[in-house]
Amino acid sequence: GDSVTQMEGPVTLSEEAFLTINCTYTATGYPSLFWYVQYPGEGLQLLLKATKADDKGSNKGFEATYRKETTSFHLEKGSVQVSDSAVYFCALYILTGGGNKLTFGTGTQLKVEL
Amino acid sequence: DAGITQSPRHKVTETGTPVTLRCHQTENHRYMYWYRQDPGHGLRLIHYSYGVKDTDKGEVSDGYSVSRSKTEDFLLTLESATSSQTSVYFCAISDLGSSGNTIYFGEGSWLTVV
Repeated sequence: GDSVTQMEGPVTLSEEAFLTINCTYTATGYPSLFWYVQYPGEGLQLLLKATKADDKGSNKGFEATYRKETTSFHLEKGSVQVSDSAVYFCALYILTGGGNKLTFGTGTQLKVEL
Repeated sequence: DAGITQSPRHKVTETGTPVTLRCHQTENHRYMYWYRQDPGHGLRLIHYSYGVKDTDKGEVSDGYSVSRSKTEDFLLTLESATSSQTSVYFCAISDLGSSGNTIYFGEGSWLTVV
C-alpha cells in the first residue's frame, strides 16, 4: 500500500541553521505531496505542496521539490527561527475510486534554540 | 482558515461509555475524514465520507462508527470507549478536484478514556 517515511526526530538546531527533513514515499499511483506543520496544541496547517514531478512547493521560507526518480520530497529551509519549532508531517495524496485520502508520515519534531 | 468546527474539544470519559465527536463544516466540501493522532504513528485514517450517507473505513476503523446525514456534519462514535482510544482526533475536509486539491484540518478533539 501507500506509505510515507520521515526521518525520526527530534531535530534540534540553533537559530539561523539550515534545515533538512527527509521524506520518501511509496505509492501505487501518481500522488500529490504535501508538508503539514503542527504547532503545540493546534491542528495541522498546510505548509506547502507539489502536484507533479519536479514541482517545487514553497512557503514561509520552506521549500520542497517533488523528485519522482528518488520518490522523495525533502523539506528545507535556509535559516530557521525559534518560531519554526513544531512537528512537521509529510503526506501523500492519491485520488482513489472512493475518494481522495491523505497518507501521513509519523512526523518529525523540530526544536530551534537561540 | 477553512470553516471546520470540532466538538467537544476536550473530553474525559469512562471505559465502556459511548462517545460521539462532531465535525461541522461551512465549506460545502464533499469529502470529510476522521483521523487519530498518536505518538509514533502520525495521523491514521479512521473513516471517511465521500457524500451524504456514503462512508468507508480507513486503516484503524475497529471500534468506531460514523454517520453523515447532511453535507456539513460528520459524526464519529465510539460505541464503548476503551483506554486504547485515548487520542487526539482530527476532522478534515476536502473537495473533489484536480490533484492539486488540499485537505484542511480542524483544531482537534482531545479524548481521554479512564
